[in-house]
Amino acid sequence: QVQMVQSGAEVQKPGASVRLSCKTSEYVFTRYYLNWVRQAPGEGLEWVGMIIPSSGSTTYTQRLQDRVTITRDTSTTTVHMELSGLKSEDTAVYYCATGTSFYTGFENWGLGTLVTVSS
Amino acid sequence: DIQMTQSPPTLSASVGDRITIMCRASQNISRWLAWYQQKAGTAPKLLISEVSILESGVPSRFSGSGSGTEFTLTLNSLQPDDFATYYCQQYHTFWTFGPGTKVEVK
Repeated sequence: QVQMVQSGAEVQKPGASVRLSCKTSEYVFTRYYLNWVRQAPGEGLEWVGMIIPSSGSTTYTQRLQDRVTITRDTSTTTVHMELSGLKSEDTAVYYCATGTSFYTGFENWGLGTLVTVSS
Repeated sequence: DIQMTQSPPTLSASVGDRITIMCRASQNISRWLAWYQQKAGTAPKLLISEVSILESGVPSRFSGSGSGTEFTLTLNSLQPDDFATYYCQQYHTFWTFGPGTKVEVK
């Protein structure tokens, strides 16, 4: 059973940054790629970015690439996503989700972290 | 960027119905399409990869078809547990989700 444990809810002011975490197992860390997907209240799913934890290679959606950074900590098998210059429209649930292969969808999802951006 | 559209946005149906959800890509994505089910307050669940390959544990009443730019998700004999929102996702070039189709009780 693949488990991803996400960090807790955040409330941030506009213009601030937020750093979310997704802790997974050594097995997942070394074999899978890990994505961040967000969902604004009442809205659909938006892919944010991806990291291959074993190499650190990242790819981001063009829409957010100047504000988002995904990193990994190999010592704790944790992936982090930092979003800077927060806007009210960044209010969303942020999910981490793994894929075993680039030939399948995202097979395993964390429970999600709610980020609220409000003054 | 590859854009995804879905129709209809909302579908009203009854238990036992056969329903079909359409998904269209803005360019050829071959067979690199997945379908997800999401219920309120929970994470999405992967149902189908590569157009028609069911994930382990997904009931056989779910099926997918299509290629290129047009795809369908079909549910035969709708069950109470199937009322949810369904999303398609392309993974030909990065990843993009469709806007979703909510299947509600008629």
